[in-house]
Amino acid sequence: DVKVTQSSRYLVKRTGEKVFLECVQDMDHENMFWYRQDPGLGLRLIYFSYDVKMKEKGDIPEGYSVSREKKERFSLILESASTNQTSMYLCASSLGANNEQFFGPGTRLTVL
Amino acid sequence: EDQVTQSPEALRLQEGESSSLNCSYTVSGLRGLFWYRQDPGKGPEFLFTLYSAGEEKEKERLKATLTKKESFLHITAPKPEDSATYLCAVQESGGSYIPTFGRGTSLIVHP
Repeated sequence: DVKVTQSSRYLVKRTGEKVFLECVQDMDHENMFWYRQDPGLGLRLIYFSYDVKMKEKGDIPEGYSVSREKKERFSLILESASTNQTSMYLCASSLGANNEQFFGPGTRLTVL
Repeated sequence: EDQVTQSPEALRLQEGESSSLNCSYTVSGLRGLFWYRQDPGKGPEFLFTLYSAGEEKEKERLKATLTKKESFLHITAPKPEDSATYLCAVQESGGSYIPTFGRGTSLIVHP
């Protein structure tokens, strides 16, 4: 089975801190994604990557950056955390462009 | 206007009471439509992919169907363990392969 793991299930940070969220997949998938999920707004795409060192902006990239140095690892970085970035963050991967996504368990981030 | 609309937003059923969830989409051409199940506090879990009108997929008490403008997720004789949020996602043909997600239907099945 495909496994997507995220570094933390719960995280509490202070405004202005730099935050790293890590995601690792173990099935050699080409594509990786970062979403945030908020009540009433659904899943919103932050960034995605279709290859090592490649990244593309999603619908809401402001305030975030990403890094993909290795195929299995996709990191989301909040350069200076703000309270409006309090959310559930979900990482996903997919084998190819037409394939289903496999999601990690999520990281619930609270910024105080 | 949302490209993917799910209805109802919330649905409460009694155990054994069959029903359907709807996912309608407005993309000009469909590459694929995905159904996921999400339990509280967890990531979505893949259920089905549908590619063309008339296609059907089944898994236990769930059956997904597809027409040219919408998909239905039929739940037959649901059990309390079917309680979850069900998400639909649509890939548009000719454009980015990134799927657009609906906001989901929250299903609660009472024993």
